[in-house]
This record gives sequence, structure tokens and C-alpha cells, in this order.
Amino acid sequence: DAGVIQSPRHEVTEMGQEVTLRCKPISGHDYLFWYRQTMMRGLELLIYFNNNVPIDDSGMPEDRFSAKMPNASFSTLKIQPSEPRDSAVYFCASSPRGRGYTFGSGTRLTVV
Amino acid sequence: AQSVTQPDIHITVSEGASLELRCNYSYGATPYLFWYVQSPGQGLQLLLKYFSGDTLVQGIKGFEAEFKRSQSSFNLRKPSVHWSDAAEYFCAVGPGTYKYIFGTGTRLKVLA
Repeated sequence: DAGVIQSPRHEVTEMGQEVTLRCKPISGHDYLFWYRQTMMRGLELLIYFNNNVPIDDSGMPEDRFSAKMPNASFSTLKIQPSEPRDSAVYFCASSPRGRGYTFGSGTRLTVV
Repeated sequence: AQSVTQPDIHITVSEGASLELRCNYSYGATPYLFWYVQSPGQGLQLLLKYFSGDTLVQGIKGFEAEFKRSQSSFNLRKPSVHWSDAAEYFCAVGPGTYKYIFGTGTRLKVLA
């Protein structure tokens, strides 16, 4: 298995631009999670899906953030418009019924 | 409130020495407990997990952890540390709804 695949690995964008982060979970994992990691706030859960349905988006910081999971093998996290304070590492993780996450390698986002 | 505390932000040990990383949790029911390791620029890798049964859990890379309900602790141990163990370690606690809470991490430095 290739694991959880995230793209891009690095993204540098200008303030105000739209940013889309992508994630391919492990086949057969029915839970998918988006986390954000910063030095100041550590790991923050943004949103998670079960069987492609968003279950809890209470961690999404603002309306500028949105996430979708159109099918079992793909999810996106979109920021529009982006701001410098969105700079962080964004992780996607998947899990079979919550019994331990497998994380992707992350996307390092820099908004200038 | 549910929480995870890793009281040591940084720990430095000599190569070959034993290691113990502390984790305390506050949780209302029987928790699922996890330890993850993160190397620089990488995602989090699952070291070990506890769901039920034997309170001493063996993981990958020679790590083990012991669940002590009376102390609300799940400390990670390794009898002999290798230079490649230098990384950041995260403890996490989870409910059945799969929304895990992560500690703030302990950064391990290994002296040659």
C-alpha cells in the first residue's frame, strides 16, 4: 500500500489566492481527517469524514476554509482567500473505523 | 474536559541510555491510547496503541508503553535509545467517535 498520499508537498502562494490541498486515503479506510500543525497551536483537527460524509467541522477556523470528499479515494481542503496566518503544515490522515490513524507526509503551506 | 498532557517539552538522553516519555490524560471513559513519532519534515507514524487487554503494549522500533488507569498515564519507554530515535513524540487519546486529542509533543534529542 502506498499509504496516505498528499499533494503538493510544498505550496507557496500570495495572500488572497485560492489554495487547494489534496489527499488520497488508504483504500478501505472509512475515516479521513484533516489536521493543521503549527508551532504555536500544535496539531489541530480541522474536519473529519466518515464514508465521505463530513461528521465534524467544528475545527475549521473560518468560512475561508472548506473541505470536500467526493468519493472514497479523494479529498480536498480549500482556502479562499488565503492569508499569511494560514501558513502551516496540513496533514491528512485516514483510519479504519478509528483504530489508529495513518498520516500523510503533509503539505507545507506558506502564504506571503 | 478531555485532555492529554505531555509534561516534558524537551528531553535529552545519551545513546544507549533508557528512555521514558510521560503522558497523562483526562478522559471520562475507557480511552483508546496512542503514541506517534514525527521525524523532521515527515508525517506522524504510529508507534503503538492500546485499546484493551494487557496494559503493557509493544510497538515498533523497540518501544513499549504501559497503561496505568489509576494514574491516568500511558508512558512510553525504550530500554536503549539509538541516535535515529531523535524526533518528536506525540501521545493521543481517543474516544469511540474517533476524534483523537493529541498532546503538545516531546522533542527527543540523542547525544552520541
